[in-house]
Amino acid sequence: NAGVMQNPRHLVRRRGQEARLRCSPMKGHSHVYWYRQLPEEGLKFMVYLQKENIIDESGMPKERFSAEFPKEGPSILRIQQVVRGDSAAYFCASSMTGGETQYFGPGTRLLVL
Amino acid sequence: AQTVTQSQPEMSVQEAETVTLSCTYDTSESDYYLFWYKQPPSRQMILVIRQEAYKQQNATENRFSVNFQKAAKSFSLKISDSQLGDAAMYFCAYRIFTGANSKLTFGKGITLSVRP
Repeated sequence: NAGVMQNPRHLVRRRGQEARLRCSPMKGHSHVYWYRQLPEEGLKFMVYLQKENIIDESGMPKERFSAEFPKEGPSILRIQQVVRGDSAAYFCASSMTGGETQYFGPGTRLLVL
Repeated sequence: AQTVTQSQPEMSVQEAETVTLSCTYDTSESDYYLFWYKQPPSRQMILVIRQEAYKQQNATENRFSVNFQKAAKSFSLKISDSQLGDAAMYFCAYRIFTGANSKLTFGKGITLSVRP
């Protein structure tokens, strides 16, 4: 019974490049959440998606960041034209419904040089 | 807006002893969930325990239990018989009860060290 999968686990990008982070939810889960953790900080909510729908994107930066959860395949968090301040751990969580407990993936550590 | 406060940045406990980690929160909602997550050096986020605000009984999971004081908006985690594997960052988190607004709000975390 696989848990939440995230890949890559580590990603290095140079300033101005694009970063694509992938998240496969637990089997049977159709709700996905993305969080960002800056060094020495707690996790901050970014976006909540269901299949083909963005439910809540109140935590997403207005520019350069986008997220999708297509009918088939993993959820993708996309960061265009990365800057050093985007260096962080990005966690994905999934739940069976919007009201259920969220289970987290291992995170993707993004380093922007 | 909901906020979660963990005022102690670090704590230390002797192996086999008991330690309590503090958390307070602020909300105008009456129905919500509270959680404690553990983040070991691997950085994986692991759910430790969950409390529904409408339940008066404090949640327990083996060596982990909470002291939930709804009126005081306090939610502390007690770890009994501490083990070396309990060393980690612990995050308190809050979520509103309804499904549409499901985001977790986290505190800044507390680093727990366990002395052998």
